[in-house]
Amino acid sequence: DIRMTQSPASLSASLGETVNIECLASEDIYSDLAWYQQKPGKSPQLLIYNANSLQNGVPSRFSGSGSGTQYSLKINSLQSEDVATYFCQQYNNYALTFGSGTKLEIK
Amino acid sequence: EVQLVESGGGLVQPGRSLKLSCAASGFTFSNYYMAWVRQAPKKGLEWVATISTSGSRTYYPDSVKGRFTISRDNAKSSLYLQMNSLKSEDTATYYCARQWLGARLDYWGQGVMVTVSS
Repeated sequence: DIRMTQSPASLSASLGETVNIECLASEDIYSDLAWYQQKPGKSPQLLIYNANSLQNGVPSRFSGSGSGTQYSLKINSLQSEDVATYFCQQYNNYALTFGSGTKLEIK
Repeated sequence: EVQLVESGGGLVQPGRSLKLSCAASGFTFSNYYMAWVRQAPKKGLEWVATISTSGSRTYYPDSVKGRFTISRDNAKSSLYLQMNSLKSEDTATYYCARQWLGARLDYWGQGVMVTVSS
């Protein structure tokens, strides 16, 4: 199975700041990567797919980039409603695997 | 509006069985792959099963293969997960999710809790 290594495990940033979350795949996943946001007590929601495509309804301050084995999620102008845990997920083969998550808090 | 509503969770003893259901609405259910994903308390996400549009193809990770069975009834717009020989490590919230083209999970249900304990 493809292993997804996500960093950092936790992150604290101020309102209005820009944050980056990284995901490293154990092999080339050819941009078959999604990012999810999970707010406390809620189910995950799709933010980004195909590494850099924004899901309908997701604010444009979220963006994704990367290729090969290295990917990142960028959140511009951090808002209070962005407090959540973020997960990456690869779908290059049928055996979906997720990163371990990044918990984002506001300073 | 896409809606996925899971049911069937609860407390079950180790070694016993449980069947989860997911009622789908707001989209043409038969056109989509579907999946189950679970999340142990305070832990990350783990994919549990995927089923193709017709139900002819199913996929599982090694952790549940041979114990869990995913199925669907397109006439009822319903997804199921039969869980046998349950273990304490199967304790988790189980989410039903729509799987776009067998890839990204674009809609998720609210989840249902399964607790395996004596």
